[in-house]
Amino acid sequence: GAVVSQHPSWVICKSGTSVKIECRSLDFQATTMFWYRQFPKQSLMLMATSNEGSKATYEQGVEKDKFLINHASLTLSTLTVTSAHPEDSSFYICSARDGELADTYEQYFGPGTRLTVT
Amino acid sequence: GQNIDQPTEMTATEGAIVQINCTYQTSGFNGLFWYQQHAGEAPTFLSYNVLDGLEEKGRFSSFLSRSKGYSYLLLKELQMKDSASYLCAVLDSNYQLIWGAGTKLIIKP
Repeated sequence: GAVVSQHPSWVICKSGTSVKIECRSLDFQATTMFWYRQFPKQSLMLMATSNEGSKATYEQGVEKDKFLINHASLTLSTLTVTSAHPEDSSFYICSARDGELADTYEQYFGPGTRLTVT
Repeated sequence: GQNIDQPTEMTATEGAIVQINCTYQTSGFNGLFWYQQHAGEAPTFLSYNVLDGLEEKGRFSSFLSRSKGYSYLLLKELQMKDSASYLCAVLDSNYQLIWGAGTKLIIKP
């Protein structure tokens, strides 16, 4: 159990365009989902935390108008990178917390999406 | 500020034992996680410690000392597939995960 999927697994887009990444919890209800970015040879950097039905909480330095997060249901969160630039090229990973497990804070990770902006 | 330290890189031999240390200074503590991450893949859960002591799970064990702000991950009978980055993460007082930079473990035959 506790499977999280991400789509697409990789995407190449042109500078100035927008890209949407989907994150789904397949066998549990994810009341909280997290979006991370990871540059080569660096650790995970939390971008934002989203709770179903409410606005996402962005980490300091992350532009909320550039990285649009929508957590419309208990199984789906989307991250849209708007007006992408080459410096946005990175590995984007989502994770989810099982809302029915009150005492556990384990995050289940999706397989990641590699974004390349040309 | 919040800080998690772990070695950048370690090298070990196949079949041997390796210990990866993690020290932390965070605003509150609600547990410590270890994750394994192979290159180009997402992290996978290894262990969670919230009380002092050693938790053993097969070839992997994790130890925690809250008074010292210290944890280690012990890997026994190393296999080539254990070559990966190992991430230490602490759940702070707001139940946010604070991540270490990761330790890249290289296994040599």
